[in-house]
Amino acid sequence: KAGVTQTPRYLIKTRGQQVTLSCSPISGHRSVSWYQQTPGQGLQFLFEYFSETQRNKGNFPGRFSGRQFSNSRSEMNVSTLELGDSALYLCASSPRDRENTEAFFGQGTRLTVV
Amino acid sequence: GEDVEQSLFLSVREGDSSVINCTYTDSSSTYLYWYKQEPGAGLQLLTYIFSNMDMKQDQRLTVLLNKKDKHLSLRIADTQTGDSAIYFCAERGLTGGGNKLTFGTGTQLKVEL
Repeated sequence: KAGVTQTPRYLIKTRGQQVTLSCSPISGHRSVSWYQQTPGQGLQFLFEYFSETQRNKGNFPGRFSGRQFSNSRSEMNVSTLELGDSALYLCASSPRDRENTEAFFGQGTRLTVV
Repeated sequence: GEDVEQSLFLSVREGDSSVINCTYTDSSSTYLYWYKQEPGAGLQLLTYIFSNMDMKQDQRLTVLLNKKDKHLSLRIADTQTGDSAIYFCAERGLTGGGNKLTFGTGTQLKVEL
């Protein structure tokens, strides 16, 4: 069974640009969550999508957005990039609704903003 | 709000047991997790425990939960050099709903020969 796939693995962008990251969850999983990992702030929850609907949102500015498609694949978008957006962005896949217990993570996308 | 704390570093000798500790504040926590992160990699789910349990054992891993003190620990028996990594505890509470996890700062485990 394939794991969680995130693309691309690495990205370098310039301040002011926008970026789109992709996450393909484990087959059959319907929940996708996104996290930002930085040395200073650690792992912080961005948002969660379930059945194409955003179910939960963390404390990030509106420049951070996401969506989920009917096949459960998810994308997150960051507009008007800032240097502080440089981070490892991790996506987690979970099987079902509230009853599930496990969240499996992808390898992450390393975003560098210059 | 939810808060999860861990000590930053732990150093052990190969073959010894490692104990990584974690405290959390959310009394509505339903599940508590331990993840491992190696350099340049994502998070690997090691084990988890439901909040109405006080212990769970899985091969070399033992999780202890003291719900009254909101204290979670991960014991790794016979620690090997391949166990060197950062270990994160995380909690899923009812406050956030859904699958939101709140992570600790991570404990860097160094295994010396």
